[in-house]
Amino acid sequence: DAGVTQSPTHLIKTRGQHVTLRCSPISGHKSVSWYQQVLGQGPQFIFQYYEKEERGRGNFPDRFSARQFPNYSSELNVNALLLGDSALYLCASSYPGQGAGETQYFGPGTRLLVL
Amino acid sequence: AQSVTQPDIHITVSEGASLELRCNYSYGATPYLFWYVQSPGQGLQLLLKYFSGDTLVQGIKGFEAEFKRSQSSFNLRKPSVHWSDAAEYFCAVGAWNNNDMRFGAGTRLTVKP
Repeated sequence: DAGVTQSPTHLIKTRGQHVTLRCSPISGHKSVSWYQQVLGQGPQFIFQYYEKEERGRGNFPDRFSARQFPNYSSELNVNALLLGDSALYLCASSYPGQGAGETQYFGPGTRLLVL
Repeated sequence: AQSVTQPDIHITVSEGASLELRCNYSYGATPYLFWYVQSPGQGLQLLLKYFSGDTLVQGIKGFEAEFKRSQSSFNLRKPSVHWSDAAEYFCAVGAWNNNDMRFGAGTRLTVKP
């Protein structure tokens, strides 16, 4: 079975531009989470979606938005890019309903460089 | 507020030696604790997780972790390190559904031959 896939793998943008990152969860997984990992730091939680509804949001500005589609894939959008948005963006999927503790499966990430 | 501290930024051990990576957490409710490993250019892979019950948790690749509530710690251990264990290790705390999971800054493990 395919794991979590993300596209594109790498992206270069300039300040002020907009970017869309995409994530396809593991088949059957209904929950998708997004994380930002700045070089040398741990991942930071951005959003979690379940059944197309936002279930959680981290401490990120409104320039960051996301959505989940009926097939459970997801997009992360970032407007008005800043240099500080340069990071590895990770997507993780999980299957709610397993009980205590949903194991998250991470994709390889999209590396975004803002110039 | 929930947070995770990994005191060691970088650790070097010899192949075959034992390993312990430290993790301290702060969480207002019952903590759900995780250890992940990240190889260069890769996403994160779950090594093990703790929710309740036995405080010694076994994971994949021969890793184990011990939850100590009195010390707010969840240290990762391995009795004998292999060269392939060289990677970045992250401790995390969160809710049962991974909502608002908080990661530590990571510990980079180097394995000497």
